[in-house]
Amino acid sequence: AQSVTQLGSHVSVSEGALVLLRCNYSSSVPPYLFWYVQYPNQGLQLLLKYTSAATLVKGINGFEAEFKKSETSFHLTKPSAHMSDAAEYFCAVTLYNQGGKLIFGQGTELSVKP
Amino acid sequence: DVKVTQSSRYLVKRTGEKVFLECVQDMDHENMFWYRQDPGLGLRLIYFSYDVKMKEKGDIPEGYSVSREKKERFSLILESASTNQTSMYLCASIFKDRGGSPLHFGNGTRLTVT
Repeated sequence: AQSVTQLGSHVSVSEGALVLLRCNYSSSVPPYLFWYVQYPNQGLQLLLKYTSAATLVKGINGFEAEFKKSETSFHLTKPSAHMSDAAEYFCAVTLYNQGGKLIFGQGTELSVKP
Repeated sequence: DVKVTQSSRYLVKRTGEKVFLECVQDMDHENMFWYRQDPGLGLRLIYFSYDVKMKEKGDIPEGYSVSREKKERFSLILESASTNQTSMYLCASIFKDRGGSPLHFGNGTRLTVT
């Protein structure tokens, strides 16, 4: 069975600093991987996804993630944090034959200090 | 644009009440899901459905049931609400053959059971 682990339930960065949110997955077959963002009092919005094409995936709002099979990782990065990036971020995994059923990580809350 | 609508944004119910959470999607999606979101636990799958009148248990189905009488509507039922069911509930949908496509989420229903 697949699983996802997000390292760090809270991450705090200064405005303009690098954002790095960590995600490791477990899967016996090639997975599909997703990052979602949730702003306060809102639903989940897709940031980016990996579906076995390019290993470096670019998403919305300047975020990107790199699929590293050897490390079973899919870390999310952004070169320069903005105050509006403060939110909760979720990594999720599924397989091609699971009809979209996602397994989520525990979530990481990102704070951005002025 | 896909719209997944959850009928209530906030609900307050008493212990022992029967509670219905409604979800409607407007894109003719076959697959629909109910997740529960709790701090530090991420999103956990309660039930899902791949067709009308079909349902499958997710990871935490105890205390819940679902109904899918029409393709566009997927209802989550708490037969006898308990305080440990106080949580954020999120509905999602997707076409059945789109394993690499992202789930579309509603904005959530925050349920408080007193």
